[in-house]
Amino acid sequence: EDQVTQSPEALRLQEGESSSLNCSYTVSGLRGLFWYRQDPGKGPEFLFTLYSAGEEKEKERLKATLTKKESFLHITAPKPEDSATYLCAVQARRDDKIIFGKGTRLHILP
Amino acid sequence: DGGITQSPKYLFRKEGQNVTLSCEQNLNHDAMYWYRQDPGQGLRLIYYSQIVNDFQKGDIAEGYSVSREKKESFPLTVTSAQKNPTAFYLCASSIMGNTEAFFGQGTRLTVV
Repeated sequence: EDQVTQSPEALRLQEGESSSLNCSYTVSGLRGLFWYRQDPGKGPEFLFTLYSAGEEKEKERLKATLTKKESFLHITAPKPEDSATYLCAVQARRDDKIIFGKGTRLHILP
Repeated sequence: DGGITQSPKYLFRKEGQNVTLSCEQNLNHDAMYWYRQDPGQGLRLIYYSQIVNDFQKGDIAEGYSVSREKKESFPLTVTSAQKNPTAFYLCASSIMGNTEAFFGQGTRLTVV
């Protein structure tokens, strides 16, 4: 069964304190792994797509990496406006279903 | 502007009534998805459709029904058989293949 597990469930950081969020996955034939940001009461906002192990993508203070079993979302010198829930999802080759993890709630303190 | 429109944003219904949530996209995307999100939870897949007049059940399809008569539209009906329908419902669409899905702003359904 395809599965996505994110850790930690919640993370509180001081402004400027760098850290990483983890996404472990099991899927039979990965088509793609996606990271999204979700603000309260809103739909998820797309951040990155990763397709193969070793791939990395960056956007401002965020950097996503991918191995054969997990992905990391690294956040460097975060600001309070980076506070949100970060969701990881995988898409399987056999049926194109997109399966989400439960997310990591990130809170950046000023 | 291209995008995905969900309506209404808030919806209240009495227990035992069927209710239909609207999802329209003008991105010319082939695939469309419906997810349910409960407080503190991730997104759970209800139904998805890759082409017109075809759709597949997701992980929690019981008590829901969909149709895909037009490429742009993928309405979701929450039936009286759904035992706990109060939730935040999200619609998404994507180009076929290995591409990311883009989301609407959601419909918050409350059943009283």
